[in-house]
Amino acid sequence: DAKTTQPTSMDCAEGRAANLPCNHSTISGNEYVYWYRQIHSQGPQYIIHGLKNNETNEMASLIITEDRKSSTLILPHATLRDTAVYYCIVRSASNTGKLIFGQGTTLQVKP
Amino acid sequence: DVKVTQSSRYLVKRTGEKVFLECVQDMDHENMFWYRQDPGLGLRLIYFSYDVKMKEKGDIPEGYSVSREKKERFSLILESASTNQTSMYLCASTPGRSSYNEQFFGPGTRLTVL
Repeated sequence: DAKTTQPTSMDCAEGRAANLPCNHSTISGNEYVYWYRQIHSQGPQYIIHGLKNNETNEMASLIITEDRKSSTLILPHATLRDTAVYYCIVRSASNTGKLIFGQGTTLQVKP
Repeated sequence: DVKVTQSSRYLVKRTGEKVFLECVQDMDHENMFWYRQDPGLGLRLIYFSYDVKMKEKGDIPEGYSVSREKKERFSLILESASTNQTSMYLCASTPGRSSYNEQFFGPGTRLTVL
């Protein structure tokens, strides 16, 4: 599975959009981009995933560049409860289903 | 909503004890996973199971075993606990055989081995 690179930490003002970048320059054609987050002392929570088209659900939007080498997770109106570590993961259907979590981005939403 | 529960949030055991960590999911998921999470190392897969009585090793199976006698329950066993097994243990489940499905995680068990 392709390796991902994320900034270590980011701040965002409450009510503003939080844009979390992820670089996955070695991604291959059958690999999806997944985003999970982990709020302190809880298990990781699935947010969204996509292959090449942009995706949106009730939690967030995922923007994938045309060359698929990077993506951005957007939380449109961040709240204090969105403070968490956000993980960008790339995986293919050929693996065992396991998720390879990197270090993630610690997002601090401030009032 | 899918619910994945783990038997304990916090557990303290002594070196050499046999430790059982239980995980139960209530959505009839086929696939279940055990991870451990350590600072600076992220989540690492210990074992997983695609069906009842079926198990496969993950990346770090040494010192662990698992049991899946019923579809909803996946147990992680530390045969003889050691201090280097002090960690946060996370169980997850996912429906179907497609590995594209999202995984649902339990709240975690923080195990301390003295």
